[in-house]
Amino acid sequence: QVQLKESGPGLVQPSQTLSLTCTVSGFSLTSYTVSWVRQPPGKGLEWIGAIWSGGSTDYNSALKSRLSISRDTSKSQVLLKMNSLQTEDTAIYFCTREAGGTGVMDAWGQGASVTVSS
Amino acid sequence: DIQMTQSPASLSASLGETVTIECRASEDIYNGLAWYQQKPGKSPQLLIYNANSLHTGVPSRFSGSGSGTQYSLKINSLQSEDVASYFCQQYYDYPYTFGAGTKLELK
Repeated sequence: QVQLKESGPGLVQPSQTLSLTCTVSGFSLTSYTVSWVRQPPGKGLEWIGAIWSGGSTDYNSALKSRLSISRDTSKSQVLLKMNSLQTEDTAIYFCTREAGGTGVMDAWGQGASVTVSS
Repeated sequence: DIQMTQSPASLSASLGETVTIECRASEDIYNGLAWYQQKPGKSPQLLIYNANSLHTGVPSRFSGSGSGTQYSLKINSLQSEDVASYFCQQYYDYPYTFGAGTKLELK
């Protein structure tokens, strides 16, 4: 059974760094691309970036300067780091599995709620 | 970036009715389009990919069509469990981009 689960701090102070972990099961990170997507409260979806099965990454250019996505295949974990957080980064952060690296997100985690506030 | 314009923003329909949601891309996305359903408090779930291919386990009352820059999602014989928000997403080019969503309610 394919599962993804996000974990991380619910509250981050402005200008600090967000670190989120996506732990997957039921598939291998060396066979599938994992993407991060976020959704501000009551709003739409924004693709953040992805790490391919081979380990290379792609980032949304609007966020690229603040982003890092990496993985630990031994732990089946994908790590998202975003620095210089502002209130507009408040959102639910989802990790997703891409089917065949196509960009089609065929499995989603439950989401991690992140609030940026002092 | 490719802009995805989705309409309508909200929609009210009766049980058994057929509803259609539209999505327009700012340039040709060559059928690189997916539709997702998101129920309140839940994560999005894949319905349609490649513009018209039904994802495994999705009821056949859902269908997708379109080409070029114009795409649509149709729900036949609306059921109560279809109350949700629906999003289109283009994956033809980076960055992947989503429509703003359509909130579907029962009349």
